[in-house]
Amino acid sequence: DVKVTQSSRYLVKRTGEKVFLECVQDMDHENMFWYRQDPGLGLRLIYFSYDVKMKEKGDIPEGYSVSREKKERFSLILESASTNQTSMYLCASSLFGTGGLSYGYTFGSGTRLTVV
Amino acid sequence: RKEVEQDPGPFNVPEGATVAFNCTYSNSASQSFFWYRQDCRKEPKLLMSVYSSGNEDGRFTAQLNRASQYISLLIRDSKLSDSATYLCVVPFYGGSQGNLIFGKGTKLSVKP
Repeated sequence: DVKVTQSSRYLVKRTGEKVFLECVQDMDHENMFWYRQDPGLGLRLIYFSYDVKMKEKGDIPEGYSVSREKKERFSLILESASTNQTSMYLCASSLFGTGGLSYGYTFGSGTRLTVV
Repeated sequence: RKEVEQDPGPFNVPEGATVAFNCTYSNSASQSFFWYRQDCRKEPKLLMSVYSSGNEDGRFTAQLNRASQYISLLIRDSKLSDSATYLCVVPFYGGSQGNLIFGKGTKLSVKP
């Protein structure tokens, strides 16, 4: 069974801390994505990557960075966590190009981050 | 502008009812479409793909109207376990290779 694994299910961090959210997929997918999901706002794309060491900004990249050193791993970094970054963070992966748009995304189980 | 619009609901229906959700999209170049299901505090999971005019899978039917740019999801004989949020998803062909655009979801609550 294909999987996208996020390292933590629940996380509590203090304001100003540097936070790393890890995501690993075992499907040999080229594309990986980071979303956050908030009530009433739906899924919002933060960053995505379609190759190792490649990254592109999504709709809300401010306050975040990403790292893709290996194909299977995509990390989301909160440089200095703030309370407005309290959210559910979802990682997803897909095939490259039209494959990804034709077969959909597979999501990890999410990390619920609380910044206090 | 890329947009996917859904009625947020909630739709409250009794067991056994038939319920339909609609979704409109603005990107007319889209070729394939999806419905995802998301349970409370869980990740979205692919429910159905729609590549041509429609798709049927058991009690679930998805239909596509390209001329009017809307997609619908019909659930027949609703079960308690169908209670969830249903996300309409549309490809956006732009940028380096495009992305999937997710609607905000329609919440369904099936009551005994």
